[in-house]
Amino acid sequence: NAGVTQTPKFQVLKTGQSMTLQCAQDMNHEYMSWYRQDPGMGLRLIHYSVGAGITDQGEVPNGYNVSRSTTEDFPLRLLSAAPSQTSVYFCASSSVGGTNEKLFFGSGTQLSVL
Amino acid sequence: SQQGEEDPQALSIQEGENATMNCSYKTSINNLQWYRQNSGRGLVHLILIRSNEREKHSGRLRVTLDTSKKSSSLLITASRAADTASYFCATHPHGSSNTGKLIFGQGTTLQVKP
Repeated sequence: NAGVTQTPKFQVLKTGQSMTLQCAQDMNHEYMSWYRQDPGMGLRLIHYSVGAGITDQGEVPNGYNVSRSTTEDFPLRLLSAAPSQTSVYFCASSSVGGTNEKLFFGSGTQLSVL
Repeated sequence: SQQGEEDPQALSIQEGENATMNCSYKTSINNLQWYRQNSGRGLVHLILIRSNEREKHSGRLRVTLDTSKKSSSLLITASRAADTASYFCATHPHGSSNTGKLIFGQGTTLQVKP
């Protein structure tokens, strides 16, 4: 099994450009989420989804959109990139709700916005 | 805002020594988890401890949880150079039934010198 796959691994954008970060998991996990990681800030939750057709905002949702049309895919869209969105983005998924929430992470997308 | 604060921010030890990292959090939790991140990679789940548990072991890892002090510690015994990584605690807030909504601390960077 591939687990959680993120593409691309690296991306450089100009301010104002839009793009989509792809995330796919092959573990049939209901739950998927996006985090961004900045130096000294740990990981901050952007958006998450508890199943196909259901999404919700995390701690830092502004400037990002998500959708969940299938169980496998959870793309993150940057509507109009800003330098403040320069970060490393991680997608994660989990199989069980309630109190058992072991997250499986992708390898990350390093995004630079110039 | 970040739930967890980790201490120390950085730790450097010799191979064979024990490493202890601490995590404090602010709100009631269902569980607390520890993750490891090797440089340039995604996070990997290490261990989960539930709010009604006080101590848990997994190989060379020992985790304690003190809900009265809202704190946890991760002990790595007989450290190896391969343990060099960043370690993050993550909490599942009490009352949050949505998997994936873990709140991460800022992490402790561990360097184990051969």
